[in-house]
Amino acid sequence: RKEVEQDPGPFNVPEGATVAFNCTYSNSASQSFFWYRQDCRKEPKLLMSVYSSGNEDGRFTAQLNRASQYISLLIRDSKLSDSATYLCVVNGEDSSYKLIFGSGTRLLVRP
Amino acid sequence: EAGVVQSPRYKIIEKKQPVAFWCNPISGHNTLYWYLQNLGQGPELLIRYENEEAVDDSQLPKDRFSAERLKGVDSTLKIQPAELGDSAVYLCASSPQTSGGPMYNEQFFGPGTRLTVL
Repeated sequence: RKEVEQDPGPFNVPEGATVAFNCTYSNSASQSFFWYRQDCRKEPKLLMSVYSSGNEDGRFTAQLNRASQYISLLIRDSKLSDSATYLCVVNGEDSSYKLIFGSGTRLLVRP
Repeated sequence: EAGVVQSPRYKIIEKKQPVAFWCNPISGHNTLYWYLQNLGQGPELLIRYENEEAVDDSQLPKDRFSAERLKGVDSTLKIQPAELGDSAVYLCASSPQTSGGPMYNEQFFGPGTRLTVL
């Protein structure tokens, strides 16, 4: 079983749609959670950290469910520029600084 | 502020040849990471440096891979000899400090070196 699992997609949605991604992680001891965004042939960039109480940044909302060990990302009012791969990231078991990346969920926003 | 710099951006070599990648982190960032990213996968950590010390190299295939960060600033990752399966993107990242935990130490990635082994 992978340490971080994501649906690879692609999620193909029209502009203005709301889309949600989920991610599950296997290490119950993980304490740090993130969503990174990666554009095609570009480097990953931090989109947002995920806090226990959930957090929102503009059109993006992240939630953490420790009991079920999953993380979600909700994007409201999708823009064409949101088309990218979204990587779910948690810290590893043996080092709080070791980040474990999921394989990513690809989002395509169409006009 | 300049980001993480990597070179070369692309490299094509034949199998069994050596290859080296260079990374210059963001100024003042003590922590440096090398990742490998295969197509359709997320980055996987190869090695992490705190200043000049390799504090986590458990994922580095030491029979053919080596890395150094001699003065605690820029770093080199080497593969010798390269194999067909080494074709991937090699990403370097840096973060500012070692205290406070990963939630307070965003990792900034460089553009990567895309390696093709023929």
